[in-house]
Amino acid sequence: EIVLTQSPGTLSLSPGERATLSCRASQSVSNSNLAWYQQRPGQAPRLLIYGASSRATGIPDRFSGSGSGTDFTFTISRLEPEDFAVYYCQQYGSSPLTFGGGTKVEIK
Amino acid sequence: DVQLLESGGGLVQPGGSLRLSCAASGFAFSSYAMSWVRQAPGKGLEWVSAISSRGSNAYYADSMKGRFTISRDNSKSTVYLQMSSLRAEDTGVYYCGKERASKGDIDSWGQGTLVTVSS
Repeated sequence: EIVLTQSPGTLSLSPGERATLSCRASQSVSNSNLAWYQQRPGQAPRLLIYGASSRATGIPDRFSGSGSGTDFTFTISRLEPEDFAVYYCQQYGSSPLTFGGGTKVEIK
Repeated sequence: DVQLLESGGGLVQPGGSLRLSCAASGFAFSSYAMSWVRQAPGKGLEWVSAISSRGSNAYYADSMKGRFTISRDNSKSTVYLQMSSLRAEDTGVYYCGKERASKGDIDSWGQGTLVTVSS
């Protein structure tokens, strides 16, 4: 099973700042089959990024992803008020699929 | 618009069984793999199970193997999760999801159904 470790656990930032989140895999994620999701309180998750760097339909370009192998990065270039939420990475390159523990982006 | 509506959650005693349903609409259901993901109260996301578009292949997280069974009825555009030998740690919100291009990442989610395992 591939274990995904997300860091930091919590990121305290102000609107307009840049957020950089990390997701490290215990072994290589095949074909960069890594996704990022946003979850706001009381809501279902929302797919933001798939294939490590491709934005899902309707996702603003302030959200981006990069990386390959075992190290992946998710960036929000300028935080909007609605971006304060929890973000999860997920690998779907091998079964069982796994999620990281999440990074909470909170208002400073 | 894609819509996924879960049902079947509720309170069940340890060792009991429950069947969750997820009714889908707004897309060609029989062309997509479907998944279940759960979230314990105040915790992160945990992948539970997935089923291929035709239902011929099913996949499970290790802790669910032998206790949970995923199935689908393409004529009803519905996916099911039969859960048995339930434990307190199975408590949480269970989400149904449509896989993007049947790859494993989930591009549409239901609102979730709460399962509580308690005596």
